[in-house]
Amino acid sequence: GAGVSQSPRYKVAKRGQDVALRCDPISGHVSLFWYQQALGQGPEFLTYFQNEAQLDKSGLPSDRFFAERPEGSVSTLKIQRTQQEDSAVYLCASSLVRGDEQYFGPGTRLTVT
Amino acid sequence: GQQLNQSPQSMFIQEGEDVSMNCTSSSIFNTWLWYKQDPGEGPVLLIALYKAGELTSNGRLTAQFGITRKDSFLNISASIPSDVGIYFCAGRAGTASKLTFGTGTRLQVTL
Repeated sequence: GAGVSQSPRYKVAKRGQDVALRCDPISGHVSLFWYQQALGQGPEFLTYFQNEAQLDKSGLPSDRFFAERPEGSVSTLKIQRTQQEDSAVYLCASSLVRGDEQYFGPGTRLTVT
Repeated sequence: GQQLNQSPQSMFIQEGEDVSMNCTSSSIFNTWLWYKQDPGEGPVLLIALYKAGELTSNGRLTAQFGITRKDSFLNISASIPSDVGIYFCAGRAGTASKLTFGTGTRLQVTL
């Protein structure tokens, strides 16, 4: 079946612009996660949804980062007033239920100039 | 944020050789996962471990959940060129759902 998909795959933004990154989880997966991966590092947790409820947003680095999953399926990660330090790969993962294995999408590479 | 310690950081091996890598944490995890990431792609799940002492295989890959619950090990037998990539361990603690990832081990295989 189809895996996790993310769009766009690449995004270049000028400093100060707002960006929106989309994640389509595996159909039927209840849990959805966002991670940020800096160059040469492992992914770092940003936020977690169970259905439409955002249960953990402890990893969001600032109030410029906002995530939503209004219908419990597709999720959008929004970054307002982008800064150079926001440049990274943003990965989305989904799992069937909480605590289950997480399956990752290909990521969106964000470059802020 | 916290990242788990993986070693070695990188390794060059010849095709056909066996590979060992490990991951250590200062805190206890109740789930360990191993992922492989190719350039420009997301991590792909290789093996999941749920119980201290558990030994699980997936083809040429074997992983172990350490007895102390603070470490995990991955072995690859008879390496082939397509094993090239970055291997990440990831742990899940308590009732949390988020994963904490390691720093990665970069594997390169020469013919």
